[in-house]
Amino acid sequence: DQQVKQNSPSLSVQEGRISILNCDYTNSMFDYFLWYKKYPAEGPTFLISISSIKDKNEDGRFTVFLNKSAKHLSLHIVPSQPGDSAVYFCAASATHATNKLIFGTGTLLAVQP
Amino acid sequence: DTEVTQTPKHLVMGMTNKKSLKCEQHMGHRAMYWYKQKAKKPPELMFVYSYEKLSINESVPSRFSPECPNSSLLNLHLHALQPEDSALYLCASSQGPGQTYQETQYFGPGTRLLVL
Repeated sequence: DQQVKQNSPSLSVQEGRISILNCDYTNSMFDYFLWYKKYPAEGPTFLISISSIKDKNEDGRFTVFLNKSAKHLSLHIVPSQPGDSAVYFCAASATHATNKLIFGTGTLLAVQP
Repeated sequence: DTEVTQTPKHLVMGMTNKKSLKCEQHMGHRAMYWYKQKAKKPPELMFVYSYEKLSINESVPSRFSPECPNSSLLNLHLHALQPEDSALYLCASSQGPGQTYQETQYFGPGTRLLVL
């Protein structure tokens, strides 16, 4: 049972344009959501997070939006840069119960120069 | 500083070998984690240590044996592994339950393990 889903395995975007990565979840107990970026053979790097009490969080070029009623979150990267090319994982946790992270399957972002 | 270090970077072992993976953090975090990641798959949780005590074991086979000697160190002892155990093993840490409401886990670079 995949509680966190990223339905787009890959995304290709032109440099300077916006990248939008999507993530859906099924467990209504999740209250904390994170995005990680991962290069091959490296560990995930934390990018940005959002609590369920918010609907938007922004950090530089990265903005995460949360729509609780739709159980959907998205990561916007503006402007996209070639160095952003990596696999992006969304992750979720139900923090009042445990600090266990459930990861989505990942989206490979390719930013074309 | 959000650095988690892992050694070795790469490890090749036979099915009869005994080896250990090491993880270290100096952020004062009190929760540490082991994850396993197969190619083109998301990381999967194996173990969670909270205040040096094992708090979650995700039904991991006994050929994987975790150890937390102190709050900064986490080991994963490997014995009699199978070829299907070949994967990237990731360590992570977070502040620890009770210290913050919602925690971010910070990951190390991983150990690439190949079992022959």
